Amino acid sequence: EVQLLESGGGLIQPGGSLRLSCTASGFTFSNYAMRWVRQAPGKALEWVSAISATGSNIYYADSVKGRFTISRDNSKNTVFLQMNSLRAEDTAVYYCAKRFTSDGKYYHGMDVWGQGTTVTVSS
Amino acid sequence: DIQMTQSPSSVSASVGDRVTITCRASQGISGWLAWYQQKPGKAPKLLIYAASSLQSGVPSRFSGSGSGTDFTLTITSLQREDFATYYCQQTISFPLTFGGGTKVEIK
Repeated sequence: EVQLLESGGGLIQPGGSLRLSCTASGFTFSNYAMRWVRQAPGKALEWVSAISATGSNIYYADSVKGRFTISRDNSKNTVFLQMNSLRAEDTAVYYCAKRFTSDGKYYHGMDVWGQGTTVTVSS
Repeated sequence: DIQMTQSPSSVSASVGDRVTITCRASQGISGWLAWYQQKPGKAPKLLIYAASSLQSGVPSRFSGSGSGTDFTLTITSLQREDFATYYCQQTISFPLTFGGGTKVEIK
């Protein structure tokens, strides 16, 4: 079964750091780009970051650029999101998601999602 | 950045109704659009990719259309399990922006 499992969320004070992990199973992880998407309570989905299959191409939303770092370890089937200088507005459920492919074509949509991990930034 | 605007923000409908949700991009994105369904407390689910292609396993009552800046998601004969929030997302360039969502509620 294709699966993504996030971990690392929790309650953190403003200015603090957290590292989220997302471990994949059921597919060849090293062949796929990965994304992080978040959702603040009662709000819409917000794309956060993306990393290519090899890790050579990385993208961030302006709202997290300079504070968050995405990385991956293909030997461990895991993608990470290092979050520094956290703010109250970073409070959200964070999902990792796999880039969608169909018939050998790559799309920037996401077809496999984890269950999410909750990050709460509060004093 | 490309802005995605969905309308309406919510719609009340009955089982069996036809529901149409629109999504407008702030600039042309050709057919690079995806639609997702999200139920409370759950991760989003990919319904439609490339504006009109149905993801495997998604019922045929869901369909997508459009190109350029204007897109629609149509649900024919709404079923009880379709009550959820729907999001569009442009997939042509980073940042991969989402629309604000449309909540489909039971009338």
